[in-house]
Amino acid sequence: KAGVTQTPRYLIKTRGQQVTLSCSPISGHRSVSWYQQTPGQGLQFLFEYFSETQRNKGNFPGRFSGRQFSNSRSEMNVSTLELGDSALYLCASSLDGIYEQYFGPGTRLTVT
Amino acid sequence: AQSVAQPEDQVNVAEGNPLTVKCTYSVSGNPYLFWYVQYPNRGLQFLLKYITGDNLVKGSYGFEAEFNKSQTSFHLKKPSALVSDSALYFCAVASNAGNMLTFGGGTRLMVKP
Repeated sequence: KAGVTQTPRYLIKTRGQQVTLSCSPISGHRSVSWYQQTPGQGLQFLFEYFSETQRNKGNFPGRFSGRQFSNSRSEMNVSTLELGDSALYLCASSLDGIYEQYFGPGTRLTVT
Repeated sequence: AQSVAQPEDQVNVAEGNPLTVKCTYSVSGNPYLFWYVQYPNRGLQFLLKYITGDNLVKGSYGFEAEFNKSQTSFHLKKPSALVSDSALYFCAVASNAGNMLTFGGGTRLMVKP
């Protein structure tokens, strides 16, 4: 099976812009989660989608949003970018329930 | 709230020696515990998990972890370290509330020849 794919792999944006990141889960996986990884804060949970519904949400401002499509693909959007949003954004997919999550390679976002 | 602590930022071990990477957790309800490894410029790779059952869990690449409920620990172990094991290791916990993983700060494992 193909693994989790994320596009683009690298992005450079300017403060105030918005950005959309994409994630394609492993075939058959219906749960998609997003995480932010930074040197200072480590790995932090953003949100989880299951069957096109946001099921869990982390402690991030409303500028961070996401959605899931009927084919389980997911997008994450960050509006009004700030310098502190520079990070590696990781997407993970899993079967429903407490199953292991499989991570994509991440999208490295740099905000200047 | 759930939390994970990895008390060592870095662990150094000689190739061929046993290794241990420590993890303690705090969670309401039953813990679901995971270990992941991250290589440079890569995403996280799943190593092993504890959901229920035997306290000793075996995973990928010869790694194992021991669940200790009384000490709320889930230490990662390997009997004989390889140079290729050098990477960043993350312990994570989920509650029975769903797929929200809380990660520890990570431990860098350095295996020297």
